[in-house]
Amino acid sequence: DAKTTQPTSMDCAEGRAANLPCNHSTISGNEYVYWYRQIHSQGPQYIIHGLKNNETNEMASLIITEDRKSSTLILPHATLRDTAVYYCIVRVASNRDDKIIFGKGTRLHILP
Amino acid sequence: KAGVTQTPRYLIKTRGQQVTLSCSPISGHRSVSWYQQTPGQGLQFLFEYFSETQRNKGNFPGRFSGRQFSNSRSEMNVSTLELGDSALYLCASSQPTGAYGYTFGSGTRLTVV
Repeated sequence: DAKTTQPTSMDCAEGRAANLPCNHSTISGNEYVYWYRQIHSQGPQYIIHGLKNNETNEMASLIITEDRKSSTLILPHATLRDTAVYYCIVRVASNRDDKIIFGKGTRLHILP
Repeated sequence: KAGVTQTPRYLIKTRGQQVTLSCSPISGHRSVSWYQQTPGQGLQFLFEYFSETQRNKGNFPGRFSGRQFSNSRSEMNVSTLELGDSALYLCASSQPTGAYGYTFGSGTRLTVV
């Protein structure tokens, strides 16, 4: 079973910041938080990952709470092309247990 | 650099037939994983190969099998196809160690009629 809980769907106005929450209350000390997104009928696309510090790249920012039990993915200026299903995953970064268990994800609708 | 390549993109098969799907990972990636995606079940892990060995396996019947070659290319096979096997089959590759993300291919859309 997936170890994360996400809202089923969210709306965001174009140009505004989209904040997608994720709960992972049973996360282990050696598990990373990963975010992927899937645009209709394409393969999931890696967005960002982090262990305990906040992370930022050209696509998004990842805010992880101090107790690591939840995180938020931030798309700073959402565009219509950001409409997708967003998956939050926890995963041990080891070459001995390399599989991702996906939950249902959050369907993000960007409104014009 | 080239991404993960899956062939074919679309496939139509008849119940009872068997099918083989192919995945070429990113150069240098030695881990290849396979996923099945259906509207009802979402993305489900099938199996993962590393250095020609299956390291992890999901909860699928024995009709689903795979293999990996010495060049890291992977194939998955589904025998005795059922209507419920209609799905998008996704392959992903990753670096062998470290906290790297997966790179997914565009998938093979299999329709069983």
